[in-house]
Amino acid sequence: DAKTTQPPSMDCAEGRAANLPCNHSTISGNEYVYWYRQIHSQGPQYIIHGLKNNETNEMASLIITEDRKSSTLILPHATLRDTAVYYCIVSGGGADGLTFGKGTHLIIQP
Amino acid sequence: GAVVSQHPSRVICKSGTSVKIECRSLDFQATTMFWYRQFPKQSLMLMATSNEGSKATYEQGVEKDKFLINHASLTLSTLTVTSAHPEDSSFYICSAEDSPTSYEQYFGPGTRLTVT
Repeated sequence: DAKTTQPPSMDCAEGRAANLPCNHSTISGNEYVYWYRQIHSQGPQYIIHGLKNNETNEMASLIITEDRKSSTLILPHATLRDTAVYYCIVSGGGADGLTFGKGTHLIIQP
Repeated sequence: GAVVSQHPSRVICKSGTSVKIECRSLDFQATTMFWYRQFPKQSLMLMATSNEGSKATYEQGVEKDKFLINHASLTLSTLTVTSAHPEDSSFYICSAEDSPTSYEQYFGPGTRLTVT
């Protein structure tokens, strides 16, 4: 079973920030939080990952709470092409397969 | 960035036949490759982990004699669905890591298998 809980769907207006929450209350000390997204009928795309500190890259920002039991993925200026299913995954990294939950279907509205 | 390709992108086969799906890392050597499948409206499920030159490790409930995995080189892994049945119809996706300490998996575009 997935170790994360996400809302099944969210809407966001184009141009606004999309904030996707994820609960991972059973995360262990050496596990990272990863975010991937999957656009319909394509392979998943890596977005970002983090351990304890907040992270930012060209795609998104990742905010991890101090107790590490939850996190938020932020897409700062959502576009229609950001419509996808977003998966929050906890994993130790390295040579481990990923356990995907049901993810959040993010729909960007024009 | 690292690119993973899959071939074919779509395949239709008759029940009882076998189908081979290839997964290639195009610009890096993949120490580990993974195979997932995804049924309609469901999430990805890990099927097996494949290391170059050794036997694949299958997840519980995945039949190793039905889903044959060969990882003969650092850039190629193949998944053969043997004696395919309609219930094997699914979206098969591979991913690869470029080192044992890598934190990112690079996914292929997927192969849509339809068994008639």
